[in-house]
Amino acid sequence: SQQGEEDPQALSIQEGENATMNCSYKTSINNLQWYRQNSGRGLVHLILIRSNEREKHSGRLRVTLDTSKKSSSLLITASRAADTASYFCATDGGGADGLTFGKGTHLIIQP
Amino acid sequence: DAGITQSPRHKVTETGTPVTLRCHQTENHRYMYWYRQDPGHGLRLIHYSYGVKDTDKGEVSDGYSVSRSKTEDFLLTLESATSSQTSVYFCAIRRQADQPQHFGDGTRLSIL
Repeated sequence: SQQGEEDPQALSIQEGENATMNCSYKTSINNLQWYRQNSGRGLVHLILIRSNEREKHSGRLRVTLDTSKKSSSLLITASRAADTASYFCATDGGGADGLTFGKGTHLIIQP
Repeated sequence: DAGITQSPRHKVTETGTPVTLRCHQTENHRYMYWYRQDPGHGLRLIHYSYGVKDTDKGEVSDGYSVSRSKTEDFLLTLESATSSQTSVYFCAIRRQADQPQHFGDGTRLSIL
């Protein structure tokens, strides 16, 4: 079963606007990760936030984590056409086993 | 980009035939993973490996087996392919647990 659930499933915005995607999960985590997937390609890691962190930044990306609500958000500021992709959150229990992914948010940036 | 190569990139085969997908890494990472990606399901873990000859099952392991005889190669085998195994298969690696994973570009497998 899926651990994470992204919201919305699809998002279309104008270039230059900010895009916010949300992720909810069910069990305790060691960290939560966000990935981007361009059409026909593999997933690319964007950012990792640990369970004891509340906010993390990387360039135009800002991720928040609220472990009490079991939720995370990914904010992309000043969006560009190249940001068009699917975005996935993934929870990591910290063990050897793999990540548990949500179903993703498909983001379309209109030029 | 992390050195991960999946082969073949595309394959079409018939129900009941055996199929082996290969994941090759040049990073000397300890952990390797096989996922499948299907519309409406996101990525789901099939099997993973935490060292040479050390493997374990994931969420959707039925109908699949894996082998890892050396650090750089992780093989996924469908002993007798079924149409429900039509999917895109991704390999991923990571140096240690609780770190990000690096993904290959996937194998698109169609079982007719």
